[in-house]
Amino acid sequence: GDQVEQSPSALSLHEGTDSALRCNFTTTMRSVQWFRQNSRGSLISLFYLASGTKENGRLKSAFDSKERRYSTLHIRDAQLEDSGTYFCAAANTGNYKYVFGAGTRLKVIA
Amino acid sequence: AQTIHQWPVAEIKAVGSPLSLGCTIKGKSSPNLYWYWQATGGTLQQLFYSITVGQVESVVQLNLSASRPKDDQFILSTEKLLLSHSGFYLCAWSLGTNSDYTFGSGTRLLVI
Repeated sequence: GDQVEQSPSALSLHEGTDSALRCNFTTTMRSVQWFRQNSRGSLISLFYLASGTKENGRLKSAFDSKERRYSTLHIRDAQLEDSGTYFCAAANTGNYKYVFGAGTRLKVIA
Repeated sequence: AQTIHQWPVAEIKAVGSPLSLGCTIKGKSSPNLYWYWQATGGTLQQLFYSITVGQVESVVQLNLSASRPKDDQFILSTEKLLLSHSGFYLCAWSLGTNSDYTFGSGTRLLVI
């Protein structure tokens, strides 16, 4: 079946530093989403991309528009509140069925 | 303002007993609705989605069923719980196919 591979599985960042998370797809995908889950389980939507890039504050996401086989999430100037688990999810048929990656556990330290 | 409410917040149920989890969305008409399941410490799995009232599509069943009896209500249920049903259940809504998803607070289920 379709697979979404996220890397790294865990990451520690010092405040103020930058980093990038990545999702590779085993097949061409139509769209990708990025989510963040906090320690209480609350999940928020960060980005939806069908192509190109999107930016929101210190977060920026890109979806490979050529082969559509990977997506990245860049975190700039990491803050303590960025800590959590980041999930990407991708769909290759329609836009209602998404397969999730295993997540990246991010800890931002002072 | 749009709100999404999931109930119950948490449940402890016996194996073989029935289950019904609910999700209501207020403030938007005809939202797309979704159910997700997350094993403790694991990733998310999409279970069902519904584009319109009365129609539900299965993504991964896990011996569960879903129904959308009203435009603003999404129900997840089973007649016989399994130990493997334990986990965290999340409901979400979106407008259209390329808009952000809004999630409920989730229901923690422990099957014993």
